[in-house]
Amino acid sequence: GAGVSQSPSNKVTEKGKDVELRCDPISGHTALYWYRQSLGQGLEFLIYFQGNSAPDKSGLPSDRFSAERTGGSVSTLTIQRTQQEDSAVYLCASSKERAGMSSYEQYFGPGTRLTVT
Amino acid sequence: AQSVTQLGSHVSVSEGALVLLRCNYSSSVPPYLFWYVQYPNQGLQLLLKYTTGATLVKGINGFEAEFKKSETSFHLTKPSAHMSDAAEYFCAVSGFTGGFKTIFGAGTRLFVKA
Repeated sequence: GAGVSQSPSNKVTEKGKDVELRCDPISGHTALYWYRQSLGQGLEFLIYFQGNSAPDKSGLPSDRFSAERTGGSVSTLTIQRTQQEDSAVYLCASSKERAGMSSYEQYFGPGTRLTVT
Repeated sequence: AQSVTQLGSHVSVSEGALVLLRCNYSSSVPPYLFWYVQYPNQGLQLLLKYTTGATLVKGINGFEAEFKKSETSFHLTKPSAHMSDAAEYFCAVSGFTGGFKTIFGAGTRLFVKA
């Protein structure tokens, strides 16, 4: 079946512009995660959504970052007034979790490489 | 705060030699532990996981890891390295918030010499 897809694969933007990154999770996966991968920094947790629960936004680095998930499926990560330090690969993952039967296995998309000039 | 420490950003082994990648975590509650692998120009994929039960877990491609609570460690091993094992390996911890927030280590890049 189809895996996690992300678009665009690459995005170059000017400092100060807003960008939207999209994630399509695997169908039926209830949990969706966003991470940021910078060179030598590993994966930095940003936010995750689980079903209809309030998202865990504890990893968002500033109020310029926001994310939403519509209809329990597609998610959009928005970065407002981009800065050069926002340049990184943004990864999305999804997993199939439900009470009493959680797999905890995350399936990752290919990522969006964001470059802020 | 929960954290994951991977000792050594780069590890180099000879083909056929033992692979040992170290991971230590901090968590106030029993964690769920994972190793993910990222091959060159590919996405991350799960290598193995510990959630409950046996503390020695086996994963794909001959890798295994042992959860040692007393040492707060989850080191990854493989008895004999293969050239195809060259990749970046990430240790991760979850389950500490009652949800699925996952914290990843900085990664260890494994080089395999012929």
